[in-house]
Amino acid sequence: DTEVTQTPKHLVMGMTNKKSLKCEQHMGHRAMYWYKQKAKKPPELMFVYSYEKLSINESVPSRFSPECPNSSLLNLHLHALQPEDSALYLCASSQGLSGVTNEKLFFGSGTQLSVL
Amino acid sequence: RKEVEQDPGPFNVPEGATVAFNCTYSNSASQSFFWYRQDCRKEPKLLMSVYSSGNEDGRFTAQLNRASQYISLLIRDSKLSDSATYLCVVNTGFQKLVFGTGTRLLVSP
Repeated sequence: DTEVTQTPKHLVMGMTNKKSLKCEQHMGHRAMYWYKQKAKKPPELMFVYSYEKLSINESVPSRFSPECPNSSLLNLHLHALQPEDSALYLCASSQGLSGVTNEKLFFGSGTQLSVL
Repeated sequence: RKEVEQDPGPFNVPEGATVAFNCTYSNSASQSFFWYRQDCRKEPKLLMSVYSSGNEDGRFTAQLNRASQYISLLIRDSKLSDSATYLCVVNTGFQKLVFGTGTRLLVSP
């Protein structure tokens, strides 16, 4: 059972749609992440938020827009996506404590996104 | 060269066998290391952290060799339920955790 909750579990959208993915954790973690995973590939880092500020953006196209409203919530806003953006989108969190190098990631169950 | 490399497998082993996976990383400044397990269509779940002194958790043993920049995972007495993809994860600095391609394990009766 995961303590990181993602909604929706499945999403089908057209290329002109705007949708949002949501992630929530109540473990008191201060770092939150978005990963993208294509079939039979490893997760690829997209964004990292640390203390509600964007700390890492792995050169992700602007059609993906992250938002961290507070320390427990993380959103990913989607607009004008392409079919190749179809993938499993995973949210994760970690303690995010300054100076701690042994950060463990806790993942949500993901949103399976299909772009038509 | 990829930051984190693994043999994708699959490794096909019978129940009760011992199997070992290796993972190499390119960034010598990498700070921490983990093994995650991922079942089909599920999220990755932490299996164990990997420490310089080596560590064991039941049937699972992880080792780190900083000089050669590789980590290993040994599974003893394989169970059917061990069938999954095993992902090597390396913290290359400041919350940037990079995943290897994963090694697929199939344990058969």
